[in-house]
Amino acid sequence: DAGVTQSPTHLIKTRGQQVTLRCSPKSGHDTVSWYQQALGQGPQFIFQYYEEEERQRGNFPDRFSGHQYPNYSSELNVNALLLGDSALYLCASRFRGNGNEQFFGPGTRLTVL
Amino acid sequence: LAKTTQPISMDSYEGQEVNITCSHNNIATNDYITWYQQFPSQGPRFIIQGYKTKVTNEVASLFIPADRKSSTLSLPRVSLSDTAVYYCLVGPILTGGGNKLTFGTGTQLKVEL
Repeated sequence: DAGVTQSPTHLIKTRGQQVTLRCSPKSGHDTVSWYQQALGQGPQFIFQYYEEEERQRGNFPDRFSGHQYPNYSSELNVNALLLGDSALYLCASRFRGNGNEQFFGPGTRLTVL
Repeated sequence: LAKTTQPISMDSYEGQEVNITCSHNNIATNDYITWYQQFPSQGPRFIIQGYKTKVTNEVASLFIPADRKSSTLSLPRVSLSDTAVYYCLVGPILTGGGNKLTFGTGTQLKVEL
């Protein structure tokens, strides 16, 4: 049973460019959330998708957007990249219901030059 | 959300028991305490969760005093592979499609021979 998978593993972009990161949730999971983790910091919640709609959003600008597909996979898009967007981007999934256990993917390391 | 305070770092030796304490003075009645572990360049992994008294699983124990203003994660007989960052999270149980977890900066545990 595959866990949460993310692609690509690493990515290098320049300021002003746009990037798309992808996530496939753990089998049986239908909710996906995205987190940004800067070096030396804990993960920060970006937003969450359930039933193909954004349900919750953290304190991130509109440059950060996402999408969830019918198969529950998800994308994170970031426009007009800034140097400060350099971070590890984590995808987490869980099955809706009660509980605080989420399953995280290995992350995508984004570097903005 | 209740703010948490943890030591920035801890050192230990193989075979010792490690106790990491988290302070959460303004924990709310419906808040649970959840601990995650994170290895470098990996996503966080759920360890344990509790509401009051003591919870034990195959990995760790969680001790929560009656006033719930603090909690202690106990790792028995640590090994080198337990070197990681440990996050204490306090918040309500995620229900339905909710996915937002609030991470602090965590405790870097270093285990040596």
